[in-house]
Amino acid sequence: AQKVTQAQTEISVVEKEDVTLDCVYETRDTTYYLFWYKQPPSGELVFLIRRNSFDEQNEISGRYSWNFQKSTSSFNFTITASQVVDSAVYFCALSEEIMDSNYQLIWGAGTKLIIKP
Amino acid sequence: DGGITQSPKYLFRKEGQNVTLSCEQNLNHDAMYWYRQDPGQGLRLIYYSQIVNDFQKGDIAEGYSVSREKKESFPLTVTSAQKNPTAFYLCASSGGPDQPQHFGDGTRLSIL
Repeated sequence: AQKVTQAQTEISVVEKEDVTLDCVYETRDTTYYLFWYKQPPSGELVFLIRRNSFDEQNEISGRYSWNFQKSTSSFNFTITASQVVDSAVYFCALSEEIMDSNYQLIWGAGTKLIIKP
Repeated sequence: DGGITQSPKYLFRKEGQNVTLSCEQNLNHDAMYWYRQDPGQGLRLIYYSQIVNDFQKGDIAEGYSVSREKKESFPLTVTSAQKNPTAFYLCASSGGPDQPQHFGDGTRLSIL
């Protein structure tokens, strides 16, 4: 069965600290896609990044960076120099083919990130 | 602007009443999804549709129904059979398995 584990339920850091959110996945597929989403207190889900299984290159976007390692089935997310506006719940997700080209996302339980001023 | 519109933002249901949540997208996406989120919890899939006039049950479909008569629209009905409907409901659409799901702003449903 496909599965996504975000073991950190809640993380609290002081502003300007670096923080890493962990995501570990399980899949039998050789081709798959991983995603990170942010859910601020207002509730909407904001797409952050997509990664396919053939691209292990790490990615950096401003203060955000992602470390994809197939050997450990992990897709971790790091925020550098955190800011109060980064406070949100962050979800990791894995794209799964259910049957006959029907796909759904398998979601992790989410990590609540609290950035204190 | 392209996106997903959910309405209403807040909805109250009386005992024994069916209510319908609206979801419209203008992204020309084939796939659409409905999720339920309880406080402090993750997302659970209610129904999904990969094409017009076809939809499939997700993990928690009991007490809910959907229709997909148009590509742009995927309304969700919360029936009286759903005994604990209080939750945050999110609609999403996607252009394919390698594409991200785009979400609406959600509807908060409560029982009167």
